Amino acid sequence: EAGVVQSPRYKIIEKKQPVAFWCNPISGHNTLYWYRQNLGQGPELLIRYENEEAVDDSQLPKDRFSAERLKGVDSTLKIQPAELGDSAVYLCASSSSGTMNTEAFFGQGTRLTVV
Amino acid sequence: DQQVKQNSPSLSVQEGRISILNCDYTNSMFDYFLWYKKYPAEGPTFLISISSIKDKNEDGRFTVFLNKSAKHLSLHIVPSQPGDSAVYFCAATITGGGNKLTFGTGTQLKVEL
Repeated sequence: EAGVVQSPRYKIIEKKQPVAFWCNPISGHNTLYWYRQNLGQGPELLIRYENEEAVDDSQLPKDRFSAERLKGVDSTLKIQPAELGDSAVYLCASSSSGTMNTEAFFGQGTRLTVV
Repeated sequence: DQQVKQNSPSLSVQEGRISILNCDYTNSMFDYFLWYKKYPAEGPTFLISISSIKDKNEDGRFTVFLNKSAKHLSLHIVPSQPGDSAVYFCAATITGGGNKLTFGTGTQLKVEL
C-alpha cells in the first residue's frame, strides 16, 4: 500500500515569493491534515479536511496561507507571500476516519527554507 | 500553552537495556494518546496508542502506560536496539475532535552499542 506522498521534498525561496506544496493521501482516506513542524518542536495542525470540506482551519494563518482539496483526494497548501518565519517542515497526513480514534499516517514532509 | 510536554529532550541507553520515555499533559479532555517515531528526513510513523479506559497497552517490545490521575504516560522499550534511535513524539487527542493531534516537543533517543 502506497503511503502519503508529498512533493517537493525541499524548497528554498526568497521572502515575499509564493510557494505551494502538494499531497496525495493514502487511497480511501477521507481525512487529510496539514501540519507544520518548526525546528525543535512537535508538529502543529494547520488545517483538517473531511473529503473536500475544510472542517478545522482555526490554526491556518489566513492572510497568507490557503489550502484546497479538490475532489476530496489530493491537496495543495499555498503560502503567498512567504515570510522568513515560515521556514519549517510542512507535513501532510491522512487517516481513515475523522470521528473514530485512529492513527494518522504522515508523509515525508516538505522542508521549506525562506531566505 | 504547551498542553503536551516531553521534558527530556534527549535520552541515551545501552543496547539491550530498557528505554523509558515520559510525557505529561495538562488538558483533562484528552482521552486518546499515541506515540510516533521519527527518523531524520522522514515523517513521523505511528508506534503505539492507548485509550484512557486502559492503563497499559503492549505491542512486542513497546509498552505504553497511562496514569490518568497524574496526567502522565510513558513508553517503555525493552530490549532497546540501535534501530530504535530516533525522535519519539507523544501526541494526544480528544474523541470526536477529528483526530486532531496535539504533539509534545519530542525526545531524541540514542541506543548505544
